[in-house]
Amino acid sequence: EDQVTQSPEALRLQEGESSSLNCSYTVSGLRGLFWYRQDPGKGPEFLFTLYSAGEEKEKERLKATLTKKESFLHITAPKPEDSATYLCAVRGTGANNLFFGTGTRLTVIP
Amino acid sequence: EAGVAQSPRYKIIEKRQSVAFWCNPISGHATLYWYQQILGQGPKLLIQFQNNGVVDDSQLPKDRFSAERLKGVDSTLKIQPAKLEDSAVYLCASSLGLGSNQPQHFGDGTRLSIL
Repeated sequence: EDQVTQSPEALRLQEGESSSLNCSYTVSGLRGLFWYRQDPGKGPEFLFTLYSAGEEKEKERLKATLTKKESFLHITAPKPEDSATYLCAVRGTGANNLFFGTGTRLTVIP
Repeated sequence: EAGVAQSPRYKIIEKRQSVAFWCNPISGHATLYWYQQILGQGPKLLIQFQNNGVVDDSQLPKDRFSAERLKGVDSTLKIQPAKLEDSAVYLCASSLGLGSNQPQHFGDGTRLSIL
């Protein structure tokens, strides 16, 4: 059965204090690992898709990396507007839907 | 490009009543998904359509939930009768197709409260 575990559940950072969010997964044949950002009262907003171990993708202050068992979302010099819940999801072989973790709630303090 | 549209944004009903949600996907997106997101959890798939056909409804509580996508565009999700545990945000998402390189794009959801 597909499983996604995100840690930490919540993270408070000072503005400019870099850190990483973790997504550990178990899936039968990974067809894609997805990162989303969700603001309060909004739907998830697509950030990245990673397909194979060693792959990296970047967008502004965010960088996502992938190994065979986990993915990291690195946040460099965060700003208050980066505050949100970050969701990780996987799609396995034979599945068309995404299986989501419970998310990491990030708060960046000015 | 217009995003996924959902209505209503909020709905409050009493248990055992019925409720319906509406979704209009991004133009040209063949695949449509309905997710349930309980507070503090990640979204959980309820049903997935490819055009107007059901691809996966294995997680849909069929004794009370139903969904349709007539003409392969708009979709409605209905709950009848509602239970207290149905309180959640119902998210609609769409993608170009079923391929693994097709990201899903989400609407802002309908927040359902059951009294």
